[in-house]
Amino acid sequence: QSVLTQPPSVSAAPGQKVTISCSGSSSNIGNNYVSWYQQLPGTAPKLLIYDNNKRPSGIPDRFSGSKSGTSATLGITGLQTGDEADYYCGSWDSNSWVFGGGTKLTVL
Amino acid sequence: QLQLQESGPGLVKPSETLSLTCTVSGGSISSSDHFWGWIRQPPGKGLEWIGSIYYSGSTYYNLSLKSRVTISVDTSKNQFSLKLSSVTAADTAVYYCARHVYLLWFGELSAFDIWGQGTMVTVSS
Repeated sequence: QSVLTQPPSVSAAPGQKVTISCSGSSSNIGNNYVSWYQQLPGTAPKLLIYDNNKRPSGIPDRFSGSKSGTSATLGITGLQTGDEADYYCGSWDSNSWVFGGGTKLTVL
Repeated sequence: QLQLQESGPGLVKPSETLSLTCTVSGGSISSSDHFWGWIRQPPGKGLEWIGSIYYSGSTYYNLSLKSRVTISVDTSKNQFSLKLSSVTAADTAVYYCARHVYLLWFGELSAFDIWGQGTMVTVSS
């Protein structure tokens, strides 16, 4: 049982938009930054979003992040088959780091 | 371009100690803006943070693993290491090292911005 709650799976068609939610509490998301990671099959996770809504250099603007209260959302527009991956949220929580359980994105 | 590389045995016997090292290249581990962390991922499962260390030796650990984990840093070698004692089959996982951004003015850790490729460790007799 992860401290941060994500839906196990989401799906959408190529070209469409999808959102992935990450629900936490005041001890993590509510008072700290959220980051998002993409893990393609067989590879290490890669940082997609940091500080709630900032993109590292090289990450396309199809990926966006937002936070409201104790929840955060990752948005992906213009879905591509190459976006099929597992996505994880993460946040600081009382001198500890926590990840969400992960969401598998299927591009139909 | 900063890179991280994990190294260590791929097979560990039950009840023994798992030992891994992460070598940082292309940059200094003695950065005031970063901690250095270990994360693991059991086969088919999600990510689990193990702990993170500052170049000074300050550490944060996952409370669920704290009694078995030691993370250390060697600034002269630009390396940090993980030791996990009394391992069982449940510790079988891919182990990643990663750079952990430190928000100095907030006194908290932010995102893992650079990751190693990961190393598979199997616990089996």
